[in-house]
Amino acid sequence: SQQGEEDPQALSIQEGENATMNCSYKTSINNLQWYRQNSGRGLVHLILIRSNEREKHSGRLRVTLDTSKKSSSLLITASRAADTASYFCATAASGTYKYIFGTGTRLKVLA
Amino acid sequence: VTQTPKFRILKIGQSMTLQCTQDMNHNYMYWYRQDPGLGLRLIYFSYDVKMKEKGDIPEGYSVSREKKERFSLILESASTNQTSMYLCASTRTGGPYEQYFGPGTRLTVT
Repeated sequence: SQQGEEDPQALSIQEGENATMNCSYKTSINNLQWYRQNSGRGLVHLILIRSNEREKHSGRLRVTLDTSKKSSSLLITASRAADTASYFCATAASGTYKYIFGTGTRLKVLA
Repeated sequence: VTQTPKFRILKIGQSMTLQCTQDMNHNYMYWYRQDPGLGLRLIYFSYDVKMKEKGDIPEGYSVSREKKERFSLILESASTNQTSMYLCASTRTGGPYEQYFGPGTRLTVT
């Protein structure tokens, strides 16, 4: 059962623009995490937001979480060509360490 | 987190073991497979030595965790639908904390 679903599936923007991607999930969660995957490589953790938090920032990243709508968004500001990658959200249901990943958003930043 | 091998080609019916090792003293270790359009799907995870729990797609796989730092994924009799990228990850207890991923094993079954 795929709990996280990212939207859009693919996104293409110009360097300097902002990129927004969304994640929806189905059950109550303990936390939600965002990961980045460069082509053909393993995933790298970007940011974690707990279920009692609404917004979190890390550098050019801003994550929001709306538990009433079971959704999260990741905003990358002032994008760079190096941000070109796939982005995944991952959720863990309350009381578990079983993480479910979404299908990902492929971001392409054009120089 | 390290994974071996990086690439492997198997014939249908052959067996193999994918190895994953972490040196961060993490209790939790995971095996995922990644396929285009399907994202990452959890096969098995382990929360301690000799302890394991099924993920969403355990069929056709087994796992072994004889030491805390090592978590192995076993394909007893490979089939073409097991052609995939396999990713291992680990995390610590007491969190939530992020998962650390290995670089992956690209497996092709022909």
